Amino acid sequence: GAGVSQTPSNKVTEKGKYVELRCDPISGHTALYWYRQSLGQGPEFLIYFQGTGAADDSGLPNDRFFAVRPEGSVSTLKIQRTERGDSAMYLCASSLRAGEEGTQYFGPGTRLLVL
Amino acid sequence: AQSVAQPEDQVNVAEGNPLTVKCTYSVSGNPYLFWYVQYPNRGLQFLLKYITGDNLVKGSYGFEAEFNKSQTSFHLKKPSALVSDSALYFCAVRRGAGNNRKLIWGLGTSLAVNP
Repeated sequence: GAGVSQTPSNKVTEKGKYVELRCDPISGHTALYWYRQSLGQGPEFLIYFQGTGAADDSGLPNDRFFAVRPEGSVSTLKIQRTERGDSAMYLCASSLRAGEEGTQYFGPGTRLLVL
Repeated sequence: AQSVAQPEDQVNVAEGNPLTVKCTYSVSGNPYLFWYVQYPNRGLQFLLKYITGDNLVKGSYGFEAEFNKSQTSFHLKKPSALVSDSALYFCAVRRGAGNNRKLIWGLGTSLAVNP
C-alpha cells in the first residue's frame, strides 16, 4: 500500500487477556519500529526490526510484550496478560533502512484500551 | 543520555503571523534531528530533518528549522501561520553515529493558530 497500515484501529480488551496488534509497513522498507504513546506524551520506543530480526528490543517494558516479523514485512506486537496500564496508542513506523538517517513513516496507530 | 526538551506545552499565534516551536536536545556526538506533526486522529507525519550540511532545513507545508549547535537547539519555524497548521508538534533526536537507532522524542507542543 501507499503507507504504513495498522490493524485494528481500536482494540478493547479485558485485563488478563492476550492481544495482537498488526503492522504492515511500506513496501520495500526493511526497518520497522514499534512505539507506545500515552495521552500527553511523546512516543516511547519499544522495539525495532531490521529485516526479520529484532535489532533493538530494549524498550519493551517487560516479558509480557513480544514482537515478531517472520518474513521481514508484516510485524505483530503481542501483549500477554494485559494490564490496565497497557492502555495507550501503539504506533508502528517503517523506514527504508535503519543503518542511515532513514526517515520513519508512521501508521495511524492502534488504540488499545484494557478494562 | 539522549534527551529532548520542548519547553512550551502550547503555542498560540494569530493567522498570518510567524510561528516558532522550540526544541532543545542533548546527545553525545552529532545529532540527527527531526520534526513530526500529529493532527487529531491521524498518525505522525514527517516534516523535516537535519542530518548534516546547511543549518537551515526546509520541509513540508512551508516549515523550516534551524540547527544551532552551540545552543543545542532545533527550533521549528514558519513565516506565516495558517489555521490548518494547528496540531501537535514533536521534536525527536538520535545519535548520528553508532548502532543506536532509537529516536528520543519530546513531549510535544500544541500549536493553535487563531483566525
